[in-house]
Amino acid sequence: AQSVSQHNHHVILSEAASLELGCNYSYGGTVNLFWYVQYPGQHLQLLLKYFSGDPLVKGIKGFEAEFIKSKFSFNLRKPSVQWSDTAEYFCAAHSGNTGKLIFGQGTTLQVKP
Amino acid sequence: DGGITQSPKYLFRKEGQNVTLSCEQNLNHDAMYWYRQDPGQGLRLIYYSQIVNDFQKGDIAEGYSVSREKKESFPLTVTSAQKNPTAFYLCASKISGLAGYNEQFFGPGTRLTVL
Repeated sequence: AQSVSQHNHHVILSEAASLELGCNYSYGGTVNLFWYVQYPGQHLQLLLKYFSGDPLVKGIKGFEAEFIKSKFSFNLRKPSVQWSDTAEYFCAAHSGNTGKLIFGQGTTLQVKP
Repeated sequence: DGGITQSPKYLFRKEGQNVTLSCEQNLNHDAMYWYRQDPGQGLRLIYYSQIVNDFQKGDIAEGYSVSREKKESFPLTVTSAQKNPTAFYLCASKISGLAGYNEQFFGPGTRLTVL
């Protein structure tokens, strides 16, 4: 069965530190990948998505992710985090032709000012 | 404003009672989804619907039921058969059911607590 795994469950960083959150998926076919963010008290919203083309995808608020097919990975990065990046981050993969998204367990990021 | 609304924001239920969570969207999206969010488990799919009058079970459908009588509405009923219903429930919608590159848009969620 298709699955998505996020390696880090809780990350604590100081402002200006660099961020990389790991995401691996198990599906072997064509895959569409997403990173969503849930800020405290807010809706889950899309950070970025990959479906084809350039494997380096840029999203909102300075985030980017790189799709590495050989490693089944889609890690999220940001060169310098801010206190406002404190949130929960979810990686997700699209499953076949059902329209279903498979989510990872989520990573809670806490940025200290 | 276009978007997805869920009501109520907080819901308390006694054991043995059924309860219905509302989800409405005015985005003209075809597909709608219900997820359950528990700490450390991410989002798990309960039910989804790609067109009106049709829906499919997700990964954790036991103890839940849905209907899709109108395009804009996809209510979820948590029945007394659901053994651990206390959770945060999220509704989402998408333009089309099959295309993978279209992202899902999420509502604000309903926090259900069983007393």
